[in-house]
Order: sequence, then structure tokens, then C-alpha cells
Amino acid sequence: KAGVTQTPRYLIKTRGQQVTLSCSPISGHRSVSWYQQTPGQGLQFLFEYFSETQRNKGNFPGRFSGRQFSNSRSEMNVSTLELGDSALYLCASSLGQNPYEQYFGPGTRLTVT
Amino acid sequence: QQQVKQSPQSLIVQKGGISIINCAYENTAFDYFPWYQQFPGKGPALLIAIRPDVSEKKEGRFTISFNKSAKQFSLHIMDSQPGDSATYFCAASRDAGGTSYGKLTFGQGTILTVHP
Repeated sequence: KAGVTQTPRYLIKTRGQQVTLSCSPISGHRSVSWYQQTPGQGLQFLFEYFSETQRNKGNFPGRFSGRQFSNSRSEMNVSTLELGDSALYLCASSLGQNPYEQYFGPGTRLTVT
Repeated sequence: QQQVKQSPQSLIVQKGGISIINCAYENTAFDYFPWYQQFPGKGPALLIAIRPDVSEKKEGRFTISFNKSAKQFSLHIMDSQPGDSATYFCAASRDAGGTSYGKLTFGQGTILTVHP
């Protein structure tokens, strides 16, 4: 099976702009979780989608949003970018039910200038 | 109560030695404990995972030891190889629903360097 894919792999944006990142899960996986990885804060949970519904959300401002499509592909959007949003954004897919093993994609490296 | 504390931050081991990374958690509701390995420029890769009903799980050179009463678990890498040099993350989650769905709580990571 193909693994989790994320596009684009690298992105440079200017403060105040918005950005959309895409994630395609492993075939058959219906759950997609998003994480932000930074050197200072480590890996932090953003939100999780299952069958097009957000089931869980982490402690991030409303500028961070996401959605999931009927084919389980997911997008996350960050509006009004801030310098502190520079990070590696990772998505992980799972079956969404026991067992909950999550498999990560390679990430999208976002740099905000 | 959601934290997972990982130590050490960095670890240097000689080839053939044993690498040991420790994690401690606070939330007794956690019931799934995976370890991830991350190489530079890559996403974390699931290495091995354990549930609280067992005290040890071994897969090849990797072993998880779990102490439920102490709320601690550790990763042991036997016969460490230079190719094992990477960042290792412990994590914890609940399998139950609600605010647990899809959420892994990660430790801060350990940078492992294995010298040849």
C-alpha cells in the first residue's frame, strides 16, 4: 500500500497570507489527524477528522481549520499567517477505530516571512 | 495531566551498545503507548507500541518495558547501529472516544547518536 502523502512538501508564505495544505491517507484509512512540529513545542495535535467530521480539536486558534472529503483526503488551512506558524505540518492516517495506530506522512515545511 | 515527559534529550551510544529512552505520563486514562522514529526531513515512523495489559513487548532489536504502577515506559534498542541514529518520540493516547479521538500526546523527543 502507498503511504501517506502530503503536498506541497515546502512552502514559503508572507505574514498575513493564508495557506492550504493537503493530505492523502493510506487507502482504507478513514481518519486523518494533523500535527504541528516545532523545535520549541515539539509535536502538537491540531485536529482529527473521520468520515468528513471533525471529532477532536487541539488548543490552537481558530485561524487553523481543516476539512475532510468523501475520499478521506484532508486539507488544513491557516489564515492570517504569523511568523510563529513556521513549522513542519504533519498529517497521520489511521483506521479511526481500535487499533488506533497512526501512520505519518513526510510533512509540509511551512516558512512564514 | 496530559503531559508525557521524555528523557534524556540526547543520547550517545557506541555501536553494539544498548540505548535506553524513558518516558513518564500523568494521565492514568492513557491506554496506548507507541514509539516513533524520525529521521531528518521525514515524518515520524511507527516503531513499536504497547498497551497496559502487558509489561514488555519485543520486536527485533526494539523492546518496550511498561510499568503501570509507576506510570513509566521505556524503549530499549539492543545492539544499537549507526543507522539507528535518529530522533525518538514516545507518545500516549486513549482508545476511547470523545476528546481522545485521533490525538497522540508526544514526549519532547530524544536525539540518539550511535557512533561506529
